[in-house]
Amino acid sequence: GAVVSQHPSRVICKSGTSVKIECRSLDFQATTMFWYRQFPKQSLMLMATSNEGSKATYEQGVEKDKFLINHASLTLSTLTVTSAHPEDSSFYICSAEPGGTQETQYFGPGTRLLVL
Amino acid sequence: QQPVQSPQAVILREGEDAVINCSSSKALYSVHWYRQKHGEAPVFLMILLKGGEQKGHEKISASFNEKKQQSSLYLTASQLSYSGTYFCGTEVDNDMRFGAGTRLTVKP
Repeated sequence: GAVVSQHPSRVICKSGTSVKIECRSLDFQATTMFWYRQFPKQSLMLMATSNEGSKATYEQGVEKDKFLINHASLTLSTLTVTSAHPEDSSFYICSAEPGGTQETQYFGPGTRLLVL
Repeated sequence: QQPVQSPQAVILREGEDAVINCSSSKALYSVHWYRQKHGEAPVFLMILLKGGEQKGHEKISASFNEKKQQSSLYLTASQLSYSGTYFCGTEVDNDMRFGAGTRLTVKP
C-alpha cells in the first residue's frame, strides 16, 4: 500500500527555536497534502491544506506566519513551526492524497513535538 | 462547528456489531471516517460525498443520509484489530472539523 513518511518522529526543542517537519509520499505523487495537530486525548484538528506549487490554505485560527508550509514537489511538504513555544507541543500529522483524488488519503506516522 | 459523535465509548465482544454516529446541524459537503490506535497516526477509512450513499465492504461500511447531515459507521462481526478511536471528519463551507471520537474496545 501507499506509504507516507514523516521526519523527525520526535523532536524536543527550546522555546523560541524553529522546527521543520517533513512529510513525504514515498511511492505516489500527492498533489494535496494535509497537516493536522492533535493534543493528547483530543480530536484531530486540520491546520492547513497544502497544494503542490501553490500557497497553503490555512484553517481558521491557524497562524500562517507561525506555521509555514511549503509543498515544493509532488512528494514533499514541510511544516515549519517558527519561534516555538510550549503551547505548540503537540502531535503533528500529515496526510497525502494520491493524484488529487478525494477517495483516499494516507497518513504519515506523526511527529511528536515537545517545546521546553 | 464540531460534529457530534456518539457513543463516546463502546465495549464489544469479538464478533459483535457496532454503530457509530456522526451528525451535523448543517448539510455537509463530505464526511470522512478514520480509525486511530493509541499512540499512532490515524488511518483513513472512507469518504462519503453523496446523500443516500452507502460505502465500504461487509465488515466496515458507512452511510450518509439524504439530507447529508448524518453519517453512520457500521462495524460488523468485530475483530480485536478494530479496537481504537474512531473519528468522523466533516467538511462544510470549506471548513473541516472532527468529532470528539468514539473509543471502541473489542474484547476476546
